[in-house]
Amino acid sequence: QSVLTQPPSVSGAPGQRVTISCTGSSSNIGAGFDVHWYQQFPGRAPKLLIYSDAYSDNNRPSGVPDRFSGSKSGTSASLAITGLQAEDEADYYCHSYDSSLSGSEVFGGGTKLSVL
Amino acid sequence: QITLKESGPTLVKPTQTLTLTCSFSGFSLSTSGVAVGWLRQPPGKALEWLALIYWDDEKRYSPSLRSRLTVTKDTSNNQVVLRMTNMDPADTATYFCAHRNSGYDHWGQGTLVIVSS
Repeated sequence: QSVLTQPPSVSGAPGQRVTISCTGSSSNIGAGFDVHWYQQFPGRAPKLLIYSDAYSDNNRPSGVPDRFSGSKSGTSASLAITGLQAEDEADYYCHSYDSSLSGSEVFGGGTKLSVL
Repeated sequence: QITLKESGPTLVKPTQTLTLTCSFSGFSLSTSGVAVGWLRQPPGKALEWLALIYWDDEKRYSPSLRSRLTVTKDTSNNQVVLRMTNMDPADTATYFCAHRNSGYDHWGQGTLVIVSS
């Protein structure tokens, strides 16, 4: 049981927009801690897709297309992907920090994105 | 260019201690603000955070695994070592080390550890 809750799967057709939610609580996302998102292909290491810092919840590392965006509201965060492409089919994870767990970092259970 | 690579045994027996080494380049763990984390992923399952060590030797551990984990750094050799005691088949997973900045921005390729007698 992950501290951060994600839907197990989402799907969309090419060109569409999809969102992946990450629901936490007042001790993690709701406390204002950073939320980061990762993309992972089978057999590969995760790749940082979106990161938060003191200035923005929607920062993209170099090379990540602006089709990917992150947002946060209350105790939840979301990853949005616009102009869906077949190559976006992967697993996506959210990541934050939890103050109730002795300074622990926490991940969501992951969401499998299928491009129809 | 930051790179990290995990090394260690592929197969360990139940109750044994696992020792994994993360060898990295492109940054120094003596630089203020730098940290290296360990994470794992059982086959077909989600990522799980294990531990984190900072440049100033501050350490953080997963609460559920704290009693079994030790993380240390060797700054001069650019390595971070993770020890996990009392290994169990449920610890079978791919273990990753990663550079921590805003998020984990650089990852090793991961090393599969199988726990079996």
